[in-house]
Amino acid sequence: NAGVTQTPKFQVLKTGQSMTLQCAQDMNHNSMYWYRQDPGMGLRLIYYSASEGTTDKGEVPNGYNVSRLNKREFSLRLESAAPSQTSVYFCASSEALGQGTLEQYFGPGTRLTVT
Amino acid sequence: QKEVEQNSGPLSVPEGAIASLNCTYSDRVSQSFFWYRQYSGKSPELIMSIYSNGDKEDGRFTAQLNKASQYVSLLIRDSQPSDSATYLCAVKVDNRLAFGKGNQVVVIP
Repeated sequence: NAGVTQTPKFQVLKTGQSMTLQCAQDMNHNSMYWYRQDPGMGLRLIYYSASEGTTDKGEVPNGYNVSRLNKREFSLRLESAAPSQTSVYFCASSEALGQGTLEQYFGPGTRLTVT
Repeated sequence: QKEVEQNSGPLSVPEGAIASLNCTYSDRVSQSFFWYRQYSGKSPELIMSIYSNGDKEDGRFTAQLNKASQYVSLLIRDSQPSDSATYLCAVKVDNRLAFGKGNQVVVIP
């Protein structure tokens, strides 16, 4: 099992460009998440999907959109990138949110720089 | 008040010693608590989960939970250089995990 995979690993964008970060999991998990991690700020939740067909905002959703394409895949889109979106982005997955435990497993991350 | 706080600065411990990390949380109804290890440049890796008051041991790691005092701790026994990493405390709040900012541990050979 590959677990959680993310593409690309690195990306440099110019201000105003758009891009989509891809995430897939092969653990048959129902819930998926997108985080960003910045120095001194810790991990912050951008969006999550409790189950296929649903998405919800997290702590820092502005400037992002998501799509839960199917049970395996959850993508994050930056429509018009800004330097403030320079960060490391992690995708994670877990079994159903309603189970209570919420053990999350993370992908390797995408390092994004916006100039 | 922050949801999850890890206030200690970098922790340096000699090889073979015990490293002790603490975390406090603000939501009294939280029921699920986790410790993640993150090596520099890598993603967080789940190392411990704990749901009941008391201690939970897994190899050289022991998680301790005290819901009345709203803290959770992690002990690393017989610390090894490979334990040098940042340790993140996470607490389930509603339908998400709230993370602390992490504590860096450096094990000195």
